[in-house]
Amino acid sequence: DAGVTQSPTHLIKTRGQHVTLRCSPISGHKSVSWYQQVLGQGPQFIFQYYEKEERGRGNFPDRFSARQFPNYSSELNVNALLLGDSALYLCASSRLTSGGHNEQFFGPGTRLTVL
Amino acid sequence: QQQVKQSPQSLIVQKGGISIINCAYENTAFDYFPWYQQFPGKGPALLIAIRPDVSEKKEGRFTISFNKSAKQFSLHIMDSQPGDSATYFCAFAGVYNQGGKLIFGQGTELSVKP
Repeated sequence: DAGVTQSPTHLIKTRGQHVTLRCSPISGHKSVSWYQQVLGQGPQFIFQYYEKEERGRGNFPDRFSARQFPNYSSELNVNALLLGDSALYLCASSRLTSGGHNEQFFGPGTRLTVL
Repeated sequence: QQQVKQSPQSLIVQKGGISIINCAYENTAFDYFPWYQQFPGKGPALLIAIRPDVSEKKEGRFTISFNKSAKQFSLHIMDSQPGDSATYFCAFAGVYNQGGKLIFGQGTELSVKP
């Protein structure tokens, strides 16, 4: 089975521009979460979507937005890019365990560089 | 606010040795504790996870030990191999995952010397 896929792999933008990152979850998974990972740190939660609805939001500015489509794929949008937005953006697809927890599987990430 | 402390920041172990990574958390509402392994340029991969009603869980060479009263848990890698060299993250989630939010530790960079 294919894992979580993300596109593009790498992206270079300049300050003030807009970027759209894409994610396809594992087949059968209905939930997608987005994380930002700055070099040398652990991932930081941005959003979670389940059945096209936002179920959770991290401490990120309104420049960050996301959506989920009927096929459960998702997009993360970032407006007015800042240098500090340079990071690895990770998408995680999840399934509910028998214990009621979301077991999250990560994609390879999109490396965003803002110049 | 910092809700989790992971240690050590880096670790060097000889091949065949035991690697031990520790995490301490503050929020008692956490009830799901996964460990992730991340190689450079890759996304984190789920290694093993535990719930607080279990004190220990073993999968192959990887074992999680959990001390609920101390709010600490640790990852033990037995018979460490050079291929285990990676960054390891502990993570936490609250009751019903609070919307799918995993809170990650700062990471431990493990290097296994041949």
